[in-house]
Amino acid sequence: GENVEQHPSTLSVQEGDSAVIKCTYSDSASNYFPWYKQELGKGPQLIIDIRSNVGEKKDQRIAVTLNKTAKHFSLHITETQPEDSAVYFCAASISGWNYGGSQGNLIFGKGTKLSVKP
Amino acid sequence: DTGVSQDPRHKITKRGQNVTFRCDPISEHNRLYWYRQTLGQGPEFLTYFQNEAQLEKSRLLSDRFSAERPKGSFSTLEIQRTEQGDSAMYLCASSLSGREETQYFGPGTRLLVL
Repeated sequence: GENVEQHPSTLSVQEGDSAVIKCTYSDSASNYFPWYKQELGKGPQLIIDIRSNVGEKKDQRIAVTLNKTAKHFSLHITETQPEDSAVYFCAASISGWNYGGSQGNLIFGKGTKLSVKP
Repeated sequence: DTGVSQDPRHKITKRGQNVTFRCDPISEHNRLYWYRQTLGQGPEFLTYFQNEAQLEKSRLLSDRFSAERPKGSFSTLEIQRTEQGDSAMYLCASSLSGREETQYFGPGTRLLVL
């Protein structure tokens, strides 16, 4: 089955610096890669996602890149702010047309705790 | 608030007791997922429904666990004869099936088994 590895497990940056979190996946059939932000005591919040038909996607200060050949994808946060401090999870799944249009269950990495120091 | 809601948010129980959690998905979403998250780990898939049909179950879902979605709207997750190893955050997510399907998570129910 799919296995997702995420690095680093902790990341500390100064406010205004960039942060990069990397994930690798094992199943070449995976084609959907979301990133979630989880604050203490809350559920994961989707911040950006990418599907395998594109190599990069950007939304304001957040960008995700995907390298299907190498089976890795990365989250880039620019101009970090203290409110970016949280645990970030990458995930992978196989999205197909089973059951009338299906996104398989998400396989998550173990998370990266990002601390942004003012 | 029109997001995914879960109830209760916290539950403390004694080993051997039964517990039931409820999830209300985003109203137009036909898919509903249950995940479990232990401390320091990412969420792990348990099961999912499309409308009222339970379509997939993880091997993590032992026979003490049962989930239902009787009318294709809210779902319940019951754990019978709880064990200390069941202590975790139980997360619910919902989505609308289709090419651009995206899962949105609720706040979770934190279970502590004493």
